[in-house]
Amino acid sequence: GAGVSQSPRYKVAKRGQDVALRCDPISGHVSLFWYQQALGQGPEFLTYFQNEAQLDKSGLPSDRFFAERPEGSVSTLKIQRTQQEDSAVYLCASSPAGYEQYFGPGTRLTVT
Amino acid sequence: KQEVTQIPAALSVPEGENLVLNCSFTDSAIYNLQWFRQDPGKGLTSLLLIQSSQREQTSGRLNASLDKSSGRSTLYIAASQPGDSATYLCAVWGSGAGSYQLTFGKGTKLSVIP
Repeated sequence: GAGVSQSPRYKVAKRGQDVALRCDPISGHVSLFWYQQALGQGPEFLTYFQNEAQLDKSGLPSDRFFAERPEGSVSTLKIQRTQQEDSAVYLCASSPAGYEQYFGPGTRLTVT
Repeated sequence: KQEVTQIPAALSVPEGENLVLNCSFTDSAIYNLQWFRQDPGKGLTSLLLIQSSQREQTSGRLNASLDKSSGRSTLYIAASQPGDSATYLCAVWGSGAGSYQLTFGKGTKLSVIP
């Protein structure tokens, strides 16, 4: 079956622009996660949804970062007023509740 | 706060060699430990998941062990092949209420030379 998909795969933004990154989880997966992976680093947890409820947003680095999952399926990670330090790969993962996470290919964001 | 360290950061070996990748973590109160593979420009592919009650898992040429008391895991790759070239990431699952949260190491970049 289809895996986790993310779009766009690559995004170049000028400093100060807003961006929106989309994640389509595996159908039926209750849990959805966002991670940020800087160059040469491991992924770092950003936020977690169970259905439409955002249960943990402790990893969001600033109030410029906002995530939503309004109908409990597709999720969007929005970054306002992008800064150079936001340049990274943003990974989305989904899972049946309490089980192994399946990762998407990521969106590579470059802020110039 | 949980910290995960992977050694070495990079490794280059000739084809056919057996090799070991190391992972250590600071808080032994983990739920599970998972090894992933990441190819350039791609997402993470799960290789092995070791549940907290287990000490090792095997899949084909891969074997992962877990020693929670010492905060260590190793990934053993037998008879390495050029197709094994990738970055290998170790991740620990939190315990209790935070069990969904994965904490990753920085990875070991493996190059297998034909």
